Amino acid sequence: GQNIDQPTEMTATEGAIVQINCTYQTSGFNGLFWYQQHAGEAPTFLSYNVLDGLEEKGRFSSFLSRSKGYSYLLLKELQMKDSASYLCAVTVHSGNTPLVFGKGTRLSVIA
Amino acid sequence: DSGVTQTPKHLITATGQRVTLRCSPRSGDLSVYWYQQSLDQGLQFLIQYYNGEERAKGNILERFSAQQFPDLHSELNLSSLELGDSALYFCASNQGGRTGYTFGSGTRLTVV
Repeated sequence: GQNIDQPTEMTATEGAIVQINCTYQTSGFNGLFWYQQHAGEAPTFLSYNVLDGLEEKGRFSSFLSRSKGYSYLLLKELQMKDSASYLCAVTVHSGNTPLVFGKGTRLSVIA
Repeated sequence: DSGVTQTPKHLITATGQRVTLRCSPRSGDLSVYWYQQSLDQGLQFLIQYYNGEERAKGNILERFSAQQFPDLHSELNLSSLELGDSALYFCASNQGGRTGYTFGSGTRLTVV
């Protein structure tokens, strides 16, 4: 079976830094994705990690440790528009295969 | 516009009825994935088609079926609808690897 865990909800202050963790236990691993989803809208791609380490993209960074089955998404200089759900997803096999999603973390950014 | 087109955006129907949701993938993408997202639930994978053939099956009910046509658009058919089928239904397409999966804007189905 596939199991992907994330905290259900988080709250952070505008301008601050927040780290959203994701742990996974899957039958295989071929990459981990982070998506952002505003309420009622489509998920949008944020980042992809397949090798251990940190990938930085502007205010967003994502980290992966394959040996620990662990990833985090780091959001810096939080803005109100960052209030959304953040979804961690894993591909188990290479090529065109389905993403397996965690339930997502709902982030609220407050003033 | 993500390039993945889903219609209709909203659908309200009664229990016991049948509906069809439509998805056109991004130009050049051969795979279509269907997902269901219920209130406060994560995205649940239903089924994948690749170049017209069924490639993978997830937690799809027997009342649900799908197909992909020669022009690569896909349809998800939901029959004998129940109140619990009310959800957002997304389709996605991809080119494989790190390019990411692109989602359509979804169809919000309400069964009353």
